[in-house]
Parts: sequence; structure tokens; C-alpha cells
Amino acid sequence: EPEVTQTPSHQVTQMGQEVILRCVPISNHLYFYWYRQILGQKVEFLVSFYNNEISEKSEIFDDQFSVERPDGSNFTLKIRSTKLEDSAMYFCASSPQGQRNTEAFFGQGTRLTVV
Amino acid sequence: EDQVTQSPEALRLQEGESSSLNCSYTVSGLRGLFWYRQDPGKGPEFLFTLYSAGEEKEKERLKATLTKKESFLHITAPKPEDSATYLCAVQEGSQGNLIFGKGTKLSVKP
Repeated sequence: EPEVTQTPSHQVTQMGQEVILRCVPISNHLYFYWYRQILGQKVEFLVSFYNNEISEKSEIFDDQFSVERPDGSNFTLKIRSTKLEDSAMYFCASSPQGQRNTEAFFGQGTRLTVV
Repeated sequence: EDQVTQSPEALRLQEGESSSLNCSYTVSGLRGLFWYRQDPGKGPEFLFTLYSAGEEKEKERLKATLTKKESFLHITAPKPEDSATYLCAVQEGSQGNLIFGKGTKLSVKP
């Protein structure tokens, strides 16, 4: 069964460092998303991506965040200068479409710890 | 104010004891309501999508229903392996991003 794959499963980084979280969405899907979940809190939307550009973003997705689809299969989230409060599980998701009748399928997540 | 509210926050059941989880929402123009299951340290696993009031979906011991203001996830004769956090999310806007509730943590004891 096709699945969304995320690497690494766990990343520890120093405050102020840049991190890149990687995702391989399901191959025939067209919409890609990043969500995050701070420990004990709800899953929050960060950004959606379609046709090689950002289609929507939340207030959380500020200038320190960027996304890219560098090679037609990978989808990355870059955090330029990490802060302690960026520590969270980051989930990548993909769906065949962004409209009705489109479930989003999630990866297993990358646990980011900023120290 | 939360747009998606789930209750209860936690629910403990004995194996075989049926119950329901609630998800109420306040978004206007609902495009879809989704139920996910999340195991500790894992990503949300898709269960159901509901689009219209009156719609029902079933999968094994789970049944989801939708009204104009809320959705219920009914669990019939649960087993210990049903223990997980159940997340409700609504879809609004044209691009499909989801707004999640805080979830209901279900524990089923043998």
C-alpha cells in the first residue's frame, strides 16, 4: 500500500541552526502539506503546496519556514534558524486533490528537538 | 475560540463496552469532516470522510455520523487494539487544509 515517507524520524538540533525535514509523498498525489504537533497539543496546519508553489499557509508559517519540491519526488520543509518553540512532531501529508473527496494521508512524522 | 471541539478528552472503556465520541464544529461552509486515528508517536491514520448531514460511514467496529453541527464516532464492542487517540478534522477553504480538534484518547481495558 502506498505511503508517505518522512526522514529523519528524529532530529536534534542546536537553537539557531537550520534544519531540513524531508518527505516523499504518495506518487500520484498532487497536493502536499506540512502540519506540526507540539507535544500534548493538537495537530496544526502549516502550509499546502500545489503545482510547485505554496497555495495556502497559516500564521505559524512565517519567514523562517520554506518549502520546496526539488526533484519531483521529494518535498522538504526548511526551518532557517530554529527556536526552542519549534520543537514538535512535523507531519507531511499528501492528497490526490485539494478539493472534495480528497483524504489527506499522513507520514509517520519527524520529531524535531531544539536544544 | 476553537472551531473544532472534541469530547470527552479521555474515555476509558471495558472491552465490549460500546460508546460514542463527539466532535462539534463551528466552521461555516463545511467542505468535509474527517476522522483519524493516532497512535502514540505516529502520524494520523485516515478512517472516514463525511460530507453531508445524515451521512454515515462504517468500518469494522467504528461508525461515523454527521449532522449540521457535529459528528459522532460510535465504537461497538471495542477491543484493546482500538485504544488510540481519535482525531476529528474539518476542511474549509478551496485548498483542502484541515483544522483539527484536540482529540479523544480512548483506552480499552481487557
